Amino acid sequence: GAGVSQSPSNKVTEKGKDVELRCDPISGHTALYWYRQRLGQGLEFLIYFQGNSAPDKSGLPSDRFSAERTGESVSTLTIQRTQQEDSAVYLCASSSPTGEHPYNEQFFGPGTRLTVL
Amino acid sequence: GNSVTQMEGPVTLSEEAFLTINCTYTATGYPSLFWYVQYPGEGLQLLLKATKADDKGSNKGFEATYRKETTSFHLEKGSVQVSDSAVYFCALSDPTSGTYKYIFGTGTRLKVLA
Repeated sequence: GAGVSQSPSNKVTEKGKDVELRCDPISGHTALYWYRQRLGQGLEFLIYFQGNSAPDKSGLPSDRFSAERTGESVSTLTIQRTQQEDSAVYLCASSSPTGEHPYNEQFFGPGTRLTVL
Repeated sequence: GNSVTQMEGPVTLSEEAFLTINCTYTATGYPSLFWYVQYPGEGLQLLLKATKADDKGSNKGFEATYRKETTSFHLEKGSVQVSDSAVYFCALSDPTSGTYKYIFGTGTRLKVLA
């Protein structure tokens, strides 16, 4: 079936503008994660959704970052008043911990490359 | 807190050489361990996984054994190919965390020369 999809694939914005990044997880996957991969660094956890709730937002770097999930499906990551240090690849992943992959394997989307000028 | 330490890259090998990429971890509880691979221009793909001590994950000729006594999950391949050139990420997921979020290593870039 279809994998995790993200849009846009690339986004260039000016400092101070708001951006929205979208993630469509695999159908039926209850868990959804956002990660950030800055150039030359590893992947950092941002936020975790179980259904439409976000019990773990501990990785969001500042209050400029927010995310929501609706219909236990699509998620949107919003960055307000973007800064140059927000430039990174933003990855979305989904999993179904109680399904066929009990070890919580996460399936990743292709990412959105955000460049803040 | 939980953490993953991965050997620095880049690693450059000749085709058919033996590969080891070291990964050690610090975790509370009993994490599941993963290796993900990112080929040029592609997204992260699961390479192999292990969910308990002494488990060996294997795929595409790659192997890694979950060693609780040394808190390690080193990735090995007996004979690398040019097509193995990619960035490899070690990760853990702590089932007791309630979120199963991944903690990743910094990634190791592998370049295999023909």
